Amino acid sequence: EADIYQTPRYLVIGTGKKITLECSQTMGHDKMYWYQQDPGMELHLIHYSYGVNSTEKGDLSSESTVSRIRTEHFPLTLESARPSHTSQYLCASSEARGYTEAFFGQGTRLTVV
Amino acid sequence: KNEVEQSPQNLTAQEGEFITINCSYSVGISALHWLQQHPGGGIVSLFMLSSGKKKHGRLIATINIQEKHSSLHITASHPRDSAVYICAVSSNYKLTFGKGTLLTVNP
Repeated sequence: EADIYQTPRYLVIGTGKKITLECSQTMGHDKMYWYQQDPGMELHLIHYSYGVNSTEKGDLSSESTVSRIRTEHFPLTLESARPSHTSQYLCASSEARGYTEAFFGQGTRLTVV
Repeated sequence: KNEVEQSPQNLTAQEGEFITINCSYSVGISALHWLQQHPGGGIVSLFMLSSGKKKHGRLIATINIQEKHSSLHITASHPRDSAVYICAVSSNYKLTFGKGTLLTVNP
């Protein structure tokens, strides 16, 4: 069973608020990822990290930011939420070596009103 | 055109039927993944393939690297198999996802 956790699972928040979506994994994986998924659409990579103090932007432009201060923790922050940020955000992790299985969190469904 | 195409987009079956979901991709890959996403959003990795065939319970996944095609089969389908099945390919550092196939298995 995968040990990767996201909180909160659901969040409804007002425009302009700052929010942080949490993602933690207990598998010691170096690689971590954030994906955004709109309803009925495919997942798009918005951020990734290869290890502590490493963060990169993904294929889909996002106004969010991430940090990787600890191996197990990869939070995503929106400084000022807007309705266009309404989406599902999925966190994943994998081992650093080669091409290995990715483990996904349960996702955070964000609604900005 | 998406780099990963899945078919069908929607599939409704009766309990017990044999199900096939197809995935075609257009890029060079290191591996192909089949994922399952239940309502509520959580994703579970079912298979990671780089060649041949893998089987886990009632699920079978095959890949043909030359034809850039993979299939996911479910034997003796059950209503609890109802979910979105997503094909994803690994290339360099990233996964590229298909749009998914919504499977509904009726009792």
